[in-house]
Amino acid sequence: SAVISQKPSRDICQRGTSLTIQCQVDSQVTMMFWYRQQPGQSLTLIATANQGSEATYESGFVIDKFPISRPNLTFSTLTVSNMSPEDSSIYLCSAEREWRDTQYFGPGTRLTVL
Amino acid sequence: EDKVVQSPLSLVVHEGDTVTLNCSYEVTNFRSLLWYKQEKKAPTFLFMLTSSGIEKKSGRLSSILDKKELFSILNITATQTGDSAVYLCAKLTDKLIFGTGTRLQVFP
Repeated sequence: SAVISQKPSRDICQRGTSLTIQCQVDSQVTMMFWYRQQPGQSLTLIATANQGSEATYESGFVIDKFPISRPNLTFSTLTVSNMSPEDSSIYLCSAEREWRDTQYFGPGTRLTVL
Repeated sequence: EDKVVQSPLSLVVHEGDTVTLNCSYEVTNFRSLLWYKQEKKAPTFLFMLTSSGIEKKSGRLSSILDKKELFSILNITATQTGDSAVYLCAKLTDKLIFGTGTRLQVFP
């Protein structure tokens, strides 16, 4: 399995500001992903974080709102930009060691936007 | 639209009961079916099922996949209060597609 940490674990932010969430894996992984889980709902994939190139976004998510970086094989960041209360969610990163292998999840970041 | 449907949406049982959680999926681009347990924020991996008819077990939990009928079940025997959680199944294609989850509450 992969051990994944996320920072911060939670935050309360003001409308219009931005927050960057960090995800660190304990060893090199092939794939890293970012998910959103809105209150009472299941997980929705935001994007696949590609090492050394632009992230691949799912329908309904755009780079201007959710810029993602992945500078190496163990680390990625997700920024939630120009936040509104609708962005209040749990944000989770996950990683796969090998392509289409089991995905392991980080502990999540609970974001509240006032 | 690619869908994963779980049932029931919620379940309330007493300690010691046995529960069966259901997950059905569409066949498009299917690779594997995964089960996770989510207690607070982070989903914890339980099982990955790729082959039909082969049961996977871990303690009191077991799961099996039926690729002909396109469903999977997760069984929990002799439930304990610590089993209370949301159980998520997810279909793996080139990404994970999650169901809405089954919320299990186990009371003493």
